[in-house]
Amino acid sequence: GAVVSQHPSRVICKSGTSVKIECRSLDFQATTMFWYRQFPKQSLMLMATSNEGSKATYEQGVEKDKFLINHASLTLSTLTVTSAHPEDSSFYICSARGTGLRGLHFGNGTRLTVT
Amino acid sequence: GESVGLHLPTLSVQEGDNSIINCAYSNSASDYFIWYKQESGKGPQFIIDIRSNMDKRQGQRVTVLLNKTVKHLSLQIAATQPGDSAVYFCAEGWQGGGTSYGKLTFGQGTILTVHP
Repeated sequence: GAVVSQHPSRVICKSGTSVKIECRSLDFQATTMFWYRQFPKQSLMLMATSNEGSKATYEQGVEKDKFLINHASLTLSTLTVTSAHPEDSSFYICSARGTGLRGLHFGNGTRLTVT
Repeated sequence: GESVGLHLPTLSVQEGDNSIINCAYSNSASDYFIWYKQESGKGPQFIIDIRSNMDKRQGQRVTVLLNKTVKHLSLQIAATQPGDSAVYFCAEGWQGGGTSYGKLTFGQGTILTVHP
């Protein structure tokens, strides 16, 4: 079946540094990927829609200059958390859209801890 | 904004019982609904979906019911097993084209605990 890979699965960084998270569709092409954030014991909240070859669309309240998204190919989208702060610590999850809504596949998430 | 919510945050059942997890949605434009299972430290895992032109769909041990009149969605799990213990989320989406296609709004989540 279709697989979406996220890397790294866990990352710890110091406050003020930047962290890049990768989301790859391994066996299908995804013109659109979605980035979600999930705080402990809470639901997934959509952050942005990543479109191959164009600018990402951010949800209301999400700072585009802080959460940089690059979708440079049909199989890779990256999320960079810039100048990370402890409040950015969260579980970041991507999904990739293949063919049809049944073609939505989620990655296994990246646990970011900012110290 | 419109959102999807759940009535019960936790559900505890005995192994072998049937489980019912409920979800209320408010966006009348949503025409596609999905139930996901999430285990600790992992991404959401697809369980079953239903389109808005249906009111019931069955899978293996799971059934999803959709009541558009009251904007209510439920997930029934038959003969619940300890391996079913996880957080369950409903999500709503729209099958229209453009960038909204595949964009999901998730509900609050219900923690299901199955006791042996």
